[in-house]
Amino acid sequence: NAGVTQTPKFQVLKTGQSMTLQCAQDMNHNSMYWYRQDPGMGLRLIYYSASEGTTDKGEVPNGYNVSRLNKREFSLRLESAAPSQTSVYFCASSDFGGGGQFFGPGTRLTVL
Amino acid sequence: GNSVTQMEGPVTLSEEAFLTINCTYTATGYPSLFWYVQYPGEGLQLLLKATKADDKGSNKGFEATYRKETTSFHLEKGSVQVSDSAVYFCALFWGNSGGSNYKLTFGKGTLLTVNP
Repeated sequence: NAGVTQTPKFQVLKTGQSMTLQCAQDMNHNSMYWYRQDPGMGLRLIYYSASEGTTDKGEVPNGYNVSRLNKREFSLRLESAAPSQTSVYFCASSDFGGGGQFFGPGTRLTVL
Repeated sequence: GNSVTQMEGPVTLSEEAFLTINCTYTATGYPSLFWYVQYPGEGLQLLLKATKADDKGSNKGFEATYRKETTSFHLEKGSVQVSDSAVYFCALFWGNSGGSNYKLTFGKGTLLTVNP
């Protein structure tokens, strides 16, 4: 039982490049989330998917897109990376009912 | 809107000291409350939770009581260890089963360092 997995663990991009962060969960959870964590800012929600087939913007969606590929997988895409997107990105999942979210290990992204 | 305020760190303690990290919240309705812990280089882990007023969540010697009258959910541990050094996040959840608003609101985190 792997829980929530994320790939890659580390990535360095140049300004303007694109990339997709992958996330998968094996807990049969309905909801999935993407956060970014920056020093002094805590965790900020980028996008979330309450259930398969739906996605909604969170607090800081600009510059990102998401795809809920199926119940297990939720990807985050940066179409044209900017230095302001340098951050640690976490994926999380949860079931309905607010029992708590389960987090992946994170992707550390640097945009030069 | 919903918000969580937790004490700013860093907090530095000696091993076996008593720990309190304060957390207060603002929310409509009756949210569920959580404490998460993040060890260096890792993702967040759910430490404990409480889903209604007067509930006490506990895990690994940590505990927190949901106080509706003071809108608080303070984290406590009677005797900290070096291995407790981490960042601790308070969070609240307010969602409805028929809708799509299953979001957590996090505090900014408190860094705890425990020295031997």
